[in-house]
Amino acid sequence: KNQVEQSPQSLIILEGKNCTLQCNYTVSPFSNLRWYKQDTGRGPVSLTIMTFSENTKSNGRYTATLDADTKQSSLHITASQLSDSASYICVVSPSRAGSYQLTFGKGTKLSVIP
Amino acid sequence: EPEVTQTPSHQVTQMGQEVILRCVPISNHLYFYWYRQILGQKVEFLVSFYNNEISEKSEIFDDQFSVERPDGSNFTLKIRSTKLEDSAMYFCASSNGTAIVTDTQYFGPGTRLTVL
Repeated sequence: KNQVEQSPQSLIILEGKNCTLQCNYTVSPFSNLRWYKQDTGRGPVSLTIMTFSENTKSNGRYTATLDADTKQSSLHITASQLSDSASYICVVSPSRAGSYQLTFGKGTKLSVIP
Repeated sequence: EPEVTQTPSHQVTQMGQEVILRCVPISNHLYFYWYRQILGQKVEFLVSFYNNEISEKSEIFDDQFSVERPDGSNFTLKIRSTKLEDSAMYFCASSNGTAIVTDTQYFGPGTRLTVL
C-alpha cells in the first residue's frame, strides 16, 4: 500500500531558528513529491513540487530536498517566523497513467514561539 | 489572486439526510477534485473530475457520493444519505491542466460537515 510517513509528528522552535522536517514514502512508481502548508481549519497551500529527477527546490525560506533512491524528502525552513506555525504535509503523486491522485502524509505540526 | 471558494463553511445535518457541498474552482482551471480530512487524520483523495466526467475515484467514493458541474462555475459534491462517519472537513481543489502531472492543485478553505 502506498504510504507517506512524516517525522517528527510535532515540533516547537523559537522564532528565528531553522528546522528540518522529514518525509519517507513508499509510493512506487513515483512521479512527484509536494510539500504543502496547512493552517488550522484551512485548506493546504502548495509550497514546492519536485519531480523524481529533481534534488532540491526552493520557495523563499522553504527548501525541499528529494532523494528518490532512498525515497526520502526533507523540508528546511530558515529564519522561522511566527506565521510559519502550521502543519506541513508531504504529498506524493504516483506515476500512473491518468492518475492525478495525491497521497498525503499526516503532517508535522510546527509551532514557532517568540 | 484567484482562489477556490467553498460554501457553506460549516454544515450540520442529521444522519440519513442528503447534503450538497458547493465549490467554485478557479475560473480557467480544467481539473477539479474533492478531498476529505477527518479530524486529526490525513487528507484523503475522493474524486477527480475532468471534461464533465469522473476521471478517477477512491474506495471512499462509493455509491453514496456523486459529483456534478451543473453550470460553468460550480462544482458540487453530494452525499445521498449521510452517516456519522462522513463527519469531516471536505476540501475542493482545482488545477489548470497545463502540466497535468506536476500541476499545482489549489485548495479551497473547506466545508466542515457534522453529521448528528
